[in-house]
Amino acid sequence: GQQVMQIPQYQHVQEGEDFTTYCNSSTTLSNIQWYKQRPGGHPVFLIQLVKSGEVKKQKRLTFQFGEAKKNSSLHITATQTTDVGTYFCAGFILSGGSNYKLTFGKGTLLTVNP
Amino acid sequence: DAGVTQSPTHLIKTRGQHVTLRCSPISGHKSVSWYQQVLGQGPQFIFQYYEKEERGRGNFPDRFSARQFPNYSSELNVNALLLGDSALYLCASSLGMGGYTFGSGTRLTVV
Repeated sequence: GQQVMQIPQYQHVQEGEDFTTYCNSSTTLSNIQWYKQRPGGHPVFLIQLVKSGEVKKQKRLTFQFGEAKKNSSLHITATQTTDVGTYFCAGFILSGGSNYKLTFGKGTLLTVNP
Repeated sequence: DAGVTQSPTHLIKTRGQHVTLRCSPISGHKSVSWYQQVLGQGPQFIFQYYEKEERGRGNFPDRFSARQFPNYSSELNVNALLLGDSALYLCASSLGMGGYTFGSGTRLTVV
């Protein structure tokens, strides 16, 4: 079935190193969303990308949406211990009829060694 | 403004029992979605409701049901609980197809 896939599953970095997580969909997405979930917490919305080839930045975080609107990436420059958590991408997948469901990838768990 | 509120925060139930989880969306949000999250996995879609109508259902058995009330709050019901139903149940509210705001979740443990 239609799904959203994410790699890597885990990433451990030294503080100050960069980090990238990749997201791929089996189908073209109308938009892609990114969420962060701290350990023991709940997913928190970070950003939404809508346009083909779109790039958005939030301080040290850079989000990209692929030209075909099937893939996306999140890049963190110079990681800090506050970046620890699981990063999820999510896209709206047809759920039957004309309804869409927000479908999440399995996430990438980022740990940062101070 | 209050965010998405869920109750209870934690719950322990015995196999075969029934459970009701509650969610109040952000004021003005008419769409409520329910997700199940097992440790180490992404949230799995269970239901979406919009204006009190079911707009989507995930791959969950009929033991799972939900409803949305006129004030847009929602309940998720699970019958005949199984050990495998132990998870974090998340409620999210949204305006259309924008970003979802999640509640803190209900941690359900089935013993």
